[in-house]
Parts: sequence; structure tokens; C-alpha cells
Amino acid sequence: GESVGLHLPTLSVQEGDNSIINCAYSNSASDYFIWYKQESGKGPQFIIDIRSNMDKRQGQRVTVLLNKTVKHLSLQIAATQPGDSAVYFCAENINYGQNFVFGPGTRLSVLP
Amino acid sequence: EPEVTQTPSHQVTQMGQEVILRCVPISNHLYFYWYRQILGQKVEFLVSFYNNEISEKSEIFDDQFSVERPDGSNFTLKIRSTKLEDSAMYFCASSEKRSNQPQHFGDGTRLSIL
Repeated sequence: GESVGLHLPTLSVQEGDNSIINCAYSNSASDYFIWYKQESGKGPQFIIDIRSNMDKRQGQRVTVLLNKTVKHLSLQIAATQPGDSAVYFCAENINYGQNFVFGPGTRLSVLP
Repeated sequence: EPEVTQTPSHQVTQMGQEVILRCVPISNHLYFYWYRQILGQKVEFLVSFYNNEISEKSEIFDDQFSVERPDGSNFTLKIRSTKLEDSAMYFCASSEKRSNQPQHFGDGTRLSIL
């Protein structure tokens, strides 16, 4: 069936470097995407979203890029900090549905 | 910042028993959701709820599951006869509008079935 997947299950970066977390989605009808951060023992925390009529959206230290041609979504974190260590999920919303389909997640580890 | 709150944080139950997981969504939100996350796996949608009725549910949400908004603030998930495979984190979420809006999650209830 349709699914959201991630290229890298784990990512280790040096503190201060930029991080890029990738996500591939297979449903061309998806029109809204969210990146969530999940710390240990916590629920998914909203980071940034993007609608399908946009290619790029920037937040504080984070940027989401959407490439609809290849069905690819990425999250860029600038100047990665130890507090960024967590599992990051992309989630897609299909055709104004009420649920999100989550990817399996990428664990980001920030090295001192 | 307003939060979704869930109780209890951890629930241990014997197989076959009923459990009720509780959630208080963000106060001005109108749409409510339950998701589950089996240990080490991705977050899976269970059900969405609006205007006192289920609006969408997944194949996971079978007859053993039910949801209710018993009053103006609480939103509950009941599992009638728990199975071992129901062991998971259960997350409640809420959103202000129906779609294309962020869903805000609580910190979950860890359900352990013995």
C-alpha cells in the first residue's frame, strides 16, 4: 500500500554542523506534510509543515524542502545542537484526510 | 503553550481486562485523534473524532476499541478485552481544524498487557 519511508534510519552529526533528514513518499495525492520530533518518553512534537503548493518553508533553524517530482521531503537543521538529538518522523496527509501516515523515523544523534 | 494531556502515563493490565485511556485535548480544538506506537515501530493512526462521532478509523480500530467524549474536556479510548499485542504507546492528538493543520500530540500512555 501507500507508505512514507526514510532513506536513513540513523544519522550522527557533529554539534554545530547542519543536519539533513530525508523522507520519500509514494502517494502523489499527498498534499500536506509535517515533520515531527520525538524525544524519549515524549509524544511527537510539531516542528514544521509544508503544503503541496510550496517547495520550501523555513522556520527557526529548520527548513523543509518538498520535491513533488520525485516525491521527496527533507528537513534541514542548521547548527545542530545536543538538544536536537531525537527521532524525526515525516508524516503525510492524503487528500484532506483526517489522519497522518507516519514514516518509520530517523534517529539523529548529535556528537559533542 | 496549550498542551494535550494524557493519563495515566503507564497502565499495566492483565490480558482480557478492559482499559480506558484518558486525554484532555487543547481546549479550542475540535478534532481529536488516537494513534498508537508499538515499541520501535512507527506511529499508526487509529481513529479520528469530531462532533461526538467517529469520522475516520483505520483497520486497527476493530470492535474491541471505542472512543468517547464523556464531557466537554475529556476524550477517552477504551479497549474492551485487551490482548498481548495491544501493548504499545497510545497517543492522543487534537487539531483546530479538520485537515491540513498540525495535530498536537500528548506524551502518551504506555499500555503493558500481561
